[in-house]
Amino acid sequence: QKEVEQDPGPLSVPEGAIVSLNCTYSNSAFQYFMWYRQYSRKGPELLMYTYSSGNKEDGRFTAQVDKSSKYISLFIRDSQPSDSATYLCAMSLTSGTYKYIFGTGTRLKVLA
Amino acid sequence: EAGVTQFPSHSVIEKGQTVTLRCDPISGHDNLYWYRRVMGKEIKFLLHFVKESKQDESGMPNNRFLAERTGGTYSTLKVQPAELEDSGVYFCASSQDMGLGTQYFGPGTRLLVL
Repeated sequence: QKEVEQDPGPLSVPEGAIVSLNCTYSNSAFQYFMWYRQYSRKGPELLMYTYSSGNKEDGRFTAQVDKSSKYISLFIRDSQPSDSATYLCAMSLTSGTYKYIFGTGTRLKVLA
Repeated sequence: EAGVTQFPSHSVIEKGQTVTLRCDPISGHDNLYWYRRVMGKEIKFLLHFVKESKQDESGMPNNRFLAERTGGTYSTLKVQPAELEDSGVYFCASSQDMGLGTQYFGPGTRLLVL
């Protein structure tokens, strides 16, 4: 069993839709949860990160962590064609590590 | 400010050949990391440099992989001899410190071993 599971998609939605991207994980010791966005032929770039359970909002993006269910989500409101990319979740045990455990990524396509 | 750059962007080689990948980090970033993504799998950590020193190479798959960072600037990752299972995308990242999410990733080198 993988430590982090992520539906690869692709996920196609119309412009303006609310998008929900999810990851499940098996290691209950994970404390830090990150979402990366990767455009085609580019490297991953950090969107946002959260610590432990709860919600965090940044503009149109909301990250949600449910540690009891070992489930994290990224919501994108008012999705735009420019949001079309692969979204990767990543997790770590501590804040000072670079050994993130990545999900395989979900491809998202927002149709104009 | 220039981002992390990697060269080449693509490489196609035959099994048994040698390939050298290069990474130029963001100027002033002491920390440099190599990651790899095999097709259909997740991105996995390979190793970490602080300046010219290898701090952690626990993710290196085997001794066919050799990473160097002479002078603490750019880094190279050599695969010799390359095997079919080495195909994938090799990412380099750099950071000024080791805080959460502080790494900047390069665009990656796509390696195909035939």
